[in-house]
Amino acid sequence: GENVEQHPSTLSVQEGDSAVIKCTYSDSASNYFPWYKQELGKRPQLIIDIRSNVGEKKDQRIAVTLNKTAKHFSLHITETQPEDSAVYFCAASGSYQLTFGKGTKLSVIP
Amino acid sequence: GAGVSQTPSNKVTEKGKYVELRCDPISGHTALYWYRQSLGQGPEFLIYFQGTGAADDSGLPNDRFFAVRPEGSVSTLKIQRTERGDSAVYLCASIGIYLEKLFFGSGTQLSVL
Repeated sequence: GENVEQHPSTLSVQEGDSAVIKCTYSDSASNYFPWYKQELGKRPQLIIDIRSNVGEKKDQRIAVTLNKTAKHFSLHITETQPEDSAVYFCAASGSYQLTFGKGTKLSVIP
Repeated sequence: GAGVSQTPSNKVTEKGKYVELRCDPISGHTALYWYRQSLGQGPEFLIYFQGTGAADDSGLPNDRFFAVRPEGSVSTLKIQRTERGDSAVYLCASIGIYLEKLFFGSGTQLSVL
């Protein structure tokens, strides 16, 4: 089955700086890669996703890049704000089942 | 409804008891998933329904866990003889036919004392 590794497990950045979270996956058949943001006590919320026919996707301050050859994908958050503080999960899917990474706790320091 | 609804939001039970957790997916969504999230971990796949049938139940940890979706809409996750290690947040999610975006409910926090 699919295995998703996510790094780092914790990340602290100063407000206004950029944050990068990286994930690798094992199943070359995976073709859908979403990112979820989870605030304390809340449900995971989809923030951006990318499919394997695209190398990069942007949505305002958030971007995701995908390298299918190397089987890794990354989340980039620019101009970080305190409200970006949360746990971020990457995931990979080849058919119907999403496999999640263990999460990255992002802390944005004002 | 507007989103995936899960009840109860919190459930406290004693070791050895039976519990049922309910999920009401987004109206019209044919695919329904159950995930389990332990503290500090990512969601872990349990079971996937396509319509009324369990298309993949490979994530269920053991035979104490069972899930049904008799009419292809609401699903119930059933846990027999609960153990302290079953304590976690149980998340439900659904997907429509033409969408791959998985939307989660708020989850049920299960605490087994």
